[in-house]
Amino acid sequence: AQSVTQLGSHVSVSEGALVLLRCNYSSSVPPYLFWYVQYPNQGLQLLLKYTTGATLVKGINGFEAEFKKSETSFHLTKPSAHMSDAAEYFCAVTRRDSGYSTLTFGKGTMLLVSP
Amino acid sequence: AAGVIQSPRHLIKEKRETATLKCYPIPRHDTVYWYQQGPGQDPQFLISFYEKMQSDKGSIPDRFSAQQFSDYHSELNMSSLELGDSALYFCASMGQGGDTQYFGPGTRLTVL
Repeated sequence: AQSVTQLGSHVSVSEGALVLLRCNYSSSVPPYLFWYVQYPNQGLQLLLKYTTGATLVKGINGFEAEFKKSETSFHLTKPSAHMSDAAEYFCAVTRRDSGYSTLTFGKGTMLLVSP
Repeated sequence: AAGVIQSPRHLIKEKRETATLKCYPIPRHDTVYWYQQGPGQDPQFLISFYEKMQSDKGSIPDRFSAQQFSDYHSELNMSSLELGDSALYFCASMGQGGDTQYFGPGTRLTVL
């Protein structure tokens, strides 16, 4: 079984400040890890993913995440927050050993950005 | 680039009615997933199809059924609707040999 824990249902930062959204996963097999962003009343947009290879992955809009197997973590960071980053962020995991496995999502973290 | 298309975008139904949601995957994607996202909740997997065959099943109620057609589009049929079925329903597609699900904009179902 797989699971994802996102620490903090809400994270507040000031514009220009560092963004850190935490994600820890549990998986009995090597995982694929994803971060999706959801703006109000919209669908899920892929930010970035880790499958194999380099453990530091870069995504869209200046976000990046690092896969740390020893810590079972995949935290999302951005050096400088922008007002347009305000949205809900979901970390998700799927199995690497299957070609069509489902995603298991965390509960989500709402990012609030203040001027 | 072409994205996943879902229709309708919004749907309002009465209790005990039926609803059909449609999903058109990205061209040449052969796998479709359905997820349900309740208010303030994370998306929950319902069911998936690969090459027109059901490939996995999650927490889909017996009142719901789905299928994937020869052109790879998928339909989620929901009967005897309950108030608790009010949610955002997402479809996602993945290409053969791919590792990433791409989500549609969702259908917001409201049951009154």
